[in-house]
Amino acid sequence: DTGVSQDPRHKITKRGQNVTFRCDPISEHNRLYWYRQTLGQGPEFLTYFQNEAQLEKSRLLSDRFSAERPKGSFSTLEIQRTEQGDSAMYLCASSFEQMNTEAFFGQGTRLTVV
Amino acid sequence: DAKTTQPNSMESNEEEPVHLPCNHSTISGTDYIHWYRQLPSQGPEYVIHGLTSNVNNRMASLAIAEDRKSSTLILHRATLRDAAVYYCILPQGAQKLVFGQGTRLTINP
Repeated sequence: DTGVSQDPRHKITKRGQNVTFRCDPISEHNRLYWYRQTLGQGPEFLTYFQNEAQLEKSRLLSDRFSAERPKGSFSTLEIQRTEQGDSAMYLCASSFEQMNTEAFFGQGTRLTVV
Repeated sequence: DAKTTQPNSMESNEEEPVHLPCNHSTISGTDYIHWYRQLPSQGPEYVIHGLTSNVNNRMASLAIAEDRKSSTLILHRATLRDAAVYYCILPQGAQKLVFGQGTRLTINP
């Protein structure tokens, strides 16, 4: 297993377009998290899944954002009608379910909305 | 939710020890203290975690105050590759990580 992988690494899109990012977690991990990071700030929690169930969503996750994790494996994060304020690094992480276990992060997808 | 406070930046020299402080005065009895770091253009990386006792691993040591209201991440011999933003975090339910601004560590050659 090569760790958490995210695709694409970079995405440039025009305002108003829809974009979708993919995250492949470490295969044994049943928890998957999405975070967003803007320049100079720490990552902000967006949502997390336990297996295929989406159990928590941040207030940051507007109606234009949707995340899925079919069959509890990979996950997708879609942003509809992108806005310039959506420009950020989108990070995915995965972990085991046990308390106080470490989370493993991917390298992120950098989104630029022009 | 318990919050953490860290200095915005610190600077050290290569091959010297580095002590990165974190205050968490509102920590509850069951909160673990986690440290992550983020190298430039990388996702965050787990460093270490602990509850009450001091902890050591191959990357660092974590010294936790007796009253648990503060902790210190210790890099025993800093290298240039340790230059990163270091985050002290008290994970919330379901291991949700709430990142603050962290401490930007600069290592001078």
